[in-house]
Amino acid sequence: GENVEQHPSTLSVQEGDSAVIKCTYSDSASNYFPWYKQELGKGPQLIIDIRSNVGEKKDQRIAVTLNKTAKHFSLHITETQPEDSAVYFCAAQAGGFKTIFGAGTRLFVKA
Amino acid sequence: GAVVSQHPSRVICKSGTSVKIECRSLDFQATTMFWYRQFPKKSLMLMATSNEGSKATYEQGVEKDKFLINHASLTLSTLTVTSAHPEDSSFYICSARQADQPQHFGDGTRLSIL
Repeated sequence: GENVEQHPSTLSVQEGDSAVIKCTYSDSASNYFPWYKQELGKGPQLIIDIRSNVGEKKDQRIAVTLNKTAKHFSLHITETQPEDSAVYFCAAQAGGFKTIFGAGTRLFVKA
Repeated sequence: GAVVSQHPSRVICKSGTSVKIECRSLDFQATTMFWYRQFPKKSLMLMATSNEGSKATYEQGVEKDKFLINHASLTLSTLTVTSAHPEDSSFYICSARQADQPQHFGDGTRLSIL
């Protein structure tokens, strides 16, 4: 079955710096890759997603890249702000099957 | 954007009681709903997947008689934790998806069994 690995588990950056979170997946049939942000005591919120027919997608300060050959995908947050502090989860999904989540990255943005 | 409402947000109850958690998709029809359990500082652990009108599919190790799931309509799924014990205390999160659209999550229910 699918396996998603996520790194780093914890990331601390200074406000204004960029943050990068990387994930790898094992199932070459995976074709949909969402990213979720979870704040304390809340459910995960979808922040950006990418499908396998696209190599990069950007939404304001957030971008996601996908390398299908290497089975890597990454989340890039630029000009980080304290409110970006949260736990971020990557995920991979093949067709209509269940979504497999990474272990999460705890991001701290220091003011 | 898509909204999933989960209630209650917090439950505290005595050991042996049953607790029902509701998950509603407010602005779309959820063909599939998922129930997750999350331990502190851990990832989401899928418990079961339910499709409207059919029995839920439980993940390995999840007791279906302990965690009853009903998905009676395209906008509502319920999880009932039967005869809850302290080890069932956890953060339970539902999510909903329409066809092959993105999955959207509720805000979770923190269950505490005394």
